[in-house]
Amino acid sequence: DAGVIQSPRHEVTEMGQEVTLRCKPISGHDYLFWYRQTMMRGLELLIYFNNNVPIDDSGMPEDRFSAKMPNASFSTLKIQPSEPRDSAVYFCASSALAGLFDEQFFGPGTRLTVL
Amino acid sequence: AQSVAQPEDQVNVAEGNPLTVKCTYSVSGNPYLFWYVQYPNRGLQFLLKYITGDNLVKGSYGFEAEFNKSQTSFHLKKPSALVSDSALYFCAVRVSTSYGKLTFGQGTILTVHP
Repeated sequence: DAGVIQSPRHEVTEMGQEVTLRCKPISGHDYLFWYRQTMMRGLELLIYFNNNVPIDDSGMPEDRFSAKMPNASFSTLKIQPSEPRDSAVYFCASSALAGLFDEQFFGPGTRLTVL
Repeated sequence: AQSVAQPEDQVNVAEGNPLTVKCTYSVSGNPYLFWYVQYPNRGLQFLLKYITGDNLVKGSYGFEAEFNKSQTSFHLKKPSALVSDSALYFCAVRVSTSYGKLTFGQGTILTVHP
């Protein structure tokens, strides 16, 4: 199994530009999570999906952030327009249907730098 | 609401000595507890979990953790630390009403000195 795949691994962009982060969960997993990690705020859950449906987006910082999961094997997190304070490492994770008992598997992350 | 506290930002231990990374939790209902490790420039990796049963759970790389319901704690332990154990460690909790959602602690940096 290839694990959770994220792209790009690094992204450098200028303030005001649109940024799209991509994630491919582990095949057969029904939950998908987007996290953001910074030194100041630690690991924050932004949004998660169950069977491609957003369940909880209360962690999404503001309207500039949006996430979609058009099918079971692909999700995107979009920031438009980006700001320097969005600079962080963004992780995608997935877990199996059992949900309660199963651990989450994390991707390698996308390091975003907004200049 | 559920929460997790890792009271130590940093833990330092000499190689070969036992290590403990502390975690306490607050939940309504039965907790499901997890430990993850993060190496530099990597994603989080699952170490072990407590769901039910024996309070002492064993996980990857020789780590173990003890669930203590009365103290609402789930401390991570290892009998003999290795330099390669140096990393950032996260405790996390889930309750039945939160479905797939995990609540993570702030993390503890473990440094093992040669």
